[in-house]
Amino acid sequence: GAVVSQHPSWVICKSGTSVKIECRSLDFQATTMFWYRQFPKQSLMLMATSNEGSKATYEQGVEKDKFLINHASLTLSTLTVTSAHPEDSSFYICSAQEGGLRDNEQFFGPGTRLTVL
Amino acid sequence: AQRVTQPEKLLSVFKGAPVELKCNYSYSGSPELFWYVQYSRQRLQLLLRHISRESIKGFTADLNKGETSFHLKKPFAQEEDSAMYYCALATSYNTDKLIFGTGTRLQVFP
Repeated sequence: GAVVSQHPSWVICKSGTSVKIECRSLDFQATTMFWYRQFPKQSLMLMATSNEGSKATYEQGVEKDKFLINHASLTLSTLTVTSAHPEDSSFYICSAQEGGLRDNEQFFGPGTRLTVL
Repeated sequence: AQRVTQPEKLLSVFKGAPVELKCNYSYSGSPELFWYVQYSRQRLQLLLRHISRESIKGFTADLNKGETSFHLKKPFAQEEDSAMYYCALATSYNTDKLIFGTGTRLQVFP
């Protein structure tokens, strides 16, 4: 199947700094990319959906100024956690699909563990 | 609101025993249901989806709209089936958005 990569796989940062996480589709064109957040022993919670060249659509309760998403190309989306605080520590997972989910598969990245000190 | 419920956090069986991982959903429209699996230290991957009506790795799942369920079944569990299983729902008005359940960890003992 298609491959989605994330970088970095883990990051530790100080409170107040910003962190950028990259999500890449390696062998297909991702018209839509998704960002999820997963707390320990909990489910994946969708944060936002981004379509290439458009502004991301954020889920209710997700601060768009806090979690900046850019989907500038068909193979790259970035999530920037701005002014990170300890409560932002979590596992962030991206996924990508080419076309609609009804006819295609959504492929997941391996995740990025963010720890804010 | 749309919701996916997986009532069991952990399901433990012995090799060769039947397995049923429960999934119930809450959605008044026409749903699309999926099962995703995450093996140890691996990423989430699609196991099966109800519209394809496939049997993958011996697993099957039938959508029961009357009971709003999409339980995952396998007649004879294997040790390599040990993993985290997530049920997910996509709604007809936003067919790309997946709503996940909390997951069930399946442990298959030898």
